[in-house]
Amino acid sequence: EVQLVESGGGLVQPGRSLRLSCTVSGLTFGDYAISWVRQAPGKGLEWVGFIRSKAYGGTTEYAASVKDRFTISRDDSKSIAYLQMNSLKTEDTAVYYCTRGGRWPDYWGQGTLVTVSS
Amino acid sequence: QSALTQPASVSGSPGQSITISCTGTSSDIGSYNLVSWYQQHPGKAPKLMIDEVDKRPSGVSNRFSGSKSGNTASLTISGLQAEDEADYYCCSYAGSPTFVVFGGGTKLTVL
Repeated sequence: EVQLVESGGGLVQPGRSLRLSCTVSGLTFGDYAISWVRQAPGKGLEWVGFIRSKAYGGTTEYAASVKDRFTISRDDSKSIAYLQMNSLKTEDTAVYYCTRGGRWPDYWGQGTLVTVSS
Repeated sequence: QSALTQPASVSGSPGQSITISCTGTSSDIGSYNLVSWYQQHPGKAPKLMIDEVDKRPSGVSNRFSGSKSGNTASLTISGLQAEDEADYYCCSYAGSPTFVVFGGGTKLTVL
C-alpha cells in the first residue's frame, strides 16, 4: 500500500522558516517525482512545486508565489522529500500535502497544517 | 483567481447525472491531454478520480467519466449517490513556466 506521511507543520511567525518532511512507503521512491500542493483554510488547491526523479535530473519547479522562498529536495536513500519554507508570510497559512507525481498528483498524504501568525 | 475556471456549485438528485466543467486556455488544457480530477470530502485529502482526461484509476467507480474539448474539460458523474457529495477539483499540466494549475473547485450537493 502506498503511503505518504507529512510532518513538521505548526505555528511559525512571519519571516521565519519551517521545513516539512514527506515520508513515503509502498513504492520505489526514487522512481517518482514528488509534488507539494497546499490548501488555505476554506480555499481551493494550489500547486506549490515538484521535484523530478533522479532519472529526469532531480530538478525542481515552483509556483511563482513561492519561488525563491521555498525549496524542495529529496533523499532517495530514506524515501523522504522535504519542503524548506523561508521568509514565510501570513498568506502561506495552509494545509500542505505531499503527493506522488509531477504532471498530475495521484497518491496524497493526509496533509500537515502550517500557520503563519505573530 | 484560479487558473482554471469551474462553477462554484452544482447539484443533482440521487440517480441523476451531473457534469462539472473546467475551462482553461490553449496553454494548459488545450495543449496537453493531462487533465485530472479530484474528489475531496470535508477534512480529508483529495482523491484522484480521473487522470489523463478520461482514465479511471483502479478502484474508482465507472460512474465517473472525463472528457475534453478544446480548452474545456468535463467530469460527469452518473447515477448520483449521497456519498458523491464533495468538492471536486480539476487540474491540468501547463508546461513551463506555470507547470501545474488547479481549478477553484466545485461543491457538489446531492439533493
